[in-house]
Amino acid sequence: DTGVSQDPRHKITKRGQNVTFRCDPISEHNRLYWYRQTLGQGPEFLTYFQNEAQLEKSRLLSDRFSAERPKGSFSTLEIQRTEQGDSAMYLCASSLGASGVPSTDTQYFGPGTRLTVL
Amino acid sequence: GQQVMQIPQYQHVQEGEDFTTYCNSSTTLSNIQWYKQRPGGHPVFLIQLVKSGEVKKQKRLTFQFGEAKKNSSLHITATQTTDVGTYFCAGPRTNAGKSTFGDGTTLTVKP
Repeated sequence: DTGVSQDPRHKITKRGQNVTFRCDPISEHNRLYWYRQTLGQGPEFLTYFQNEAQLEKSRLLSDRFSAERPKGSFSTLEIQRTEQGDSAMYLCASSLGASGVPSTDTQYFGPGTRLTVL
Repeated sequence: GQQVMQIPQYQHVQEGEDFTTYCNSSTTLSNIQWYKQRPGGHPVFLIQLVKSGEVKKQKRLTFQFGEAKKNSSLHITATQTTDVGTYFCAGPRTNAGKSTFGDGTTLTVKP
């Protein structure tokens, strides 16, 4: 399978615990995005990497959220001190695009990680 | 900031009937993308529209971009049960990768 993969697919945790999700993009894709989606809503942008550089982070993201893409390949999203409001589907997407160009490249989404905070 | 609004939120049709969802923006869009998300699945890219007044077809799906590039529509002719899902439009991504999705139109098809 050469698509975007995410791990784990489901995570149940207790409030206050830390969680980390992994995303493996399509291998040649230089761009990687994280989104959050709750029931009845569209995907909500969280952050964006071009290669290993994090170029944008949503103001909706609190300091409890951090993302990395250390080698420009896979990425991790960590949520510290989880809250019940963090329960959502966390989607990763990747694309291949030229640097500095307004993006028209196609995003390919992974299957998501469903987080439930008890 | 950029906002895209979709209507209707839900649409229930009998198999064979047509379906249309509309996407409206408060600002002019350089491009717009459409995605489909099946129940329990993830968004899958359908198409991108770039030109004013552009019309693109994919089998029974017809996509339009308004002349003012502030609205778009997706029309499905003679729906089938395989068309079930939520259809999202998304505004263009900024240089910093940020894009805004609408809240989608969820289509159910009764056989």
